Formats: sequence, structure tokens, C-alpha cells
Amino acid sequence: DAGVIQSPRHEVTEMGQEVTLRCKPISGHDYLFWYRQTMMRGLELLIYFNNNVPIDDSGMPEDRFSAKMPNASFSTLKIQPSEPRDSAVYFCASSSTRDSSYNEQFFGPGTRLTVL
Amino acid sequence: GQSLEQPSEVTAVEGAIVQINCTYQTSGFYGLSWYQQHDGGAPTFLSYNALDGLEETGRFSSFLSRSDSYGYLLLQELQMKDSASYFCAVVGGATNKLIFGTGTLLAVQP
Repeated sequence: DAGVIQSPRHEVTEMGQEVTLRCKPISGHDYLFWYRQTMMRGLELLIYFNNNVPIDDSGMPEDRFSAKMPNASFSTLKIQPSEPRDSAVYFCASSSTRDSSYNEQFFGPGTRLTVL
Repeated sequence: GQSLEQPSEVTAVEGAIVQINCTYQTSGFYGLSWYQQHDGGAPTFLSYNALDGLEETGRFSSFLSRSDSYGYLLLQELQMKDSASYFCAVVGGATNKLIFGTGTLLAVQP
């Protein structure tokens, strides 16, 4: 398997624009997580899905953030409108409760977002 | 609330042993994980402890004491490539939800 795939790897946008981050989890994994990492706040869990259903979105900072998982192989995190304080690295991770590595989360390479 | 405390930085020399401590305070606890992150990279899984005691994986070992809400990561025979940030993370439930600590930046010097 290619691992967790995220796109784009880098995104530079202007304040007020819509940003969509994409994630393809490892095939067969039933959990998908979105994290945000900044120097100030560290690694924060934003939202996670189980079998494509959002379970906990308490980490989503505000209504400008939304996430969807229309099927088992694709998820999006959307920011609309974007603000400079949204600048961060956004990671997607997946895990499986069906095998011996169920306690391990596999992280994608991340999307480095810069909002000007 | 939930909080995890780790030292912000640790420095050690090649070939030495270093211990990175983690204390936690959480409302739910299933286990303690450790992740490594190189600069500019993604976090990668190192270990998981659900029960008290020491788990060994090659040069890395991880320890947990549930009664003390404390764990540590032990790195032996340090190599330059071990220079990275190390995060402890509480597994908060059967859903594999992770709450990460603030991270410890390990610098290995020649």
C-alpha cells in the first residue's frame, strides 16, 4: 500500500479564499483522523471518522472548518473563508481496528497551508 | 480537562542512553503511545503501552505506570538519526482517539 496520501502538499492562498485539503486513507482502515500542527498549539485533533461517519468534531476550531468523508477512500477538510491564523501543517491519519496494529495511526505527509 | 507534560528539549551524545518522561492527566485512558517526528516529516508510531511495565522494541523501550499517570520512552545507543521530536499520546478510548503531548525535541550530538 502507498500509505496515507494527502494533496496538495503545499498550499498558499489569500485570506478569504476557500481551501480544500484532501486525504486518501490506507485501504481497509476504518478510522480517519484530521490533525493540525502549529508551533504554538502543537498537534491537535480536529475531527475523526469511523466507517465514514464523523464521531467527534469537538476539535474543529469554528464553523469555517468542515470535513466530509463520502466514502471509505476519500476525505476532505475545507476551510471557508480562510484566515492567516489557519496557517499550519494539516495531517491526515488512518488506523484499523481489525488487525494487530490497531493502536497505530498512520500519518500522511501533511499539507503545509499558508494563508496570506 | 486533559493534559500531557513532557520536557521541551533534551540533548544527548551519540551512543548514550536518554529517557523522555511523560505525565498525563486525562478523563479517559486506554493506553500511552509514542510517536517520532523528524523535522518537516510526519509523525511515525514507535510504541504503545496499555498495561504497566516495560515494552522493548530494538533500541527503543517504553514504560507505563497507570497508578502514577506516568510513562517514559527510553532510547539506547543513540544515533544521529534519532534527532527528532518525540510525542507521547494518550489513547482516550476504544475509538483510538489520540491526545498528543507538547513534544520533546531530542538533539543528538557527536
